[in-house]
Amino acid sequence: EVQLVESGGGLIQPGGSLRLSCAASGFTVSYSFLTWVRQAPGKGLEWVAVIYADGTERYADSVKGRFTISRDDSKNTVYLQMNSLRGEDAAVYYCARIQYQLLDVWGQGTTVNVSS
Amino acid sequence: EIVMTQSPATLSDSPGERATLSCRASESVGRNLAWYQQKPGQSPRLLIYYASTRATGVPARFSGSGSGTEFTLTISSLQSEDFAVYYCQQYNNWPPLTFGGGTKVEIK
Repeated sequence: EVQLVESGGGLIQPGGSLRLSCAASGFTVSYSFLTWVRQAPGKGLEWVAVIYADGTERYADSVKGRFTISRDDSKNTVYLQMNSLRGEDAAVYYCARIQYQLLDVWGQGTTVNVSS
Repeated sequence: EIVMTQSPATLSDSPGERATLSCRASESVGRNLAWYQQKPGQSPRLLIYYASTRATGVPARFSGSGSGTEFTLTISSLQSEDFAVYYCQQYNNWPPLTFGGGTKVEIK
């Protein structure tokens, strides 16, 4: 079964750092495009970052320079390192696979709260 | 960046009714438009792609149409399980991937 499982969310103070993980099963991340999408409480979906099969990274302007997407092929896992966190970064963060340019598999999400 | 605008923000309808949701792109995206359904407490689910192709397992009561900048998602006869939030998303020119603000379909 193709599946994505996120972890690593929690409560963090403004300015702090957090690393989210997205463990994949049923497919190989190194052959895929993986992306992070977030959803602030009561709001819509916002694209955050993508890592292509060749390792190229792209970011939304709102997180560029603060967030880093990476992957560990040996663990079949993708990460999102989030630094200099702000209140507006509080959201449920979803990991999703992009296949044929479509987000066809989504994880269950992990919640990030940013508050002092 | 291509801006996606959905209307209405909320749609109130009764079970059995026909629901029509709209999505507009700030520039042409061809037919590279997807629809996702999100139920409370759940992750989004791919519903329609290439403007009108239903994803695997999606009931035939869901249909999509449009091209260029104007798109429509129609639910021919609302079932109780269809009350959810629906998002459109363009993949013609990315990154960034851009989503509409969503339409909430609620029970009247």
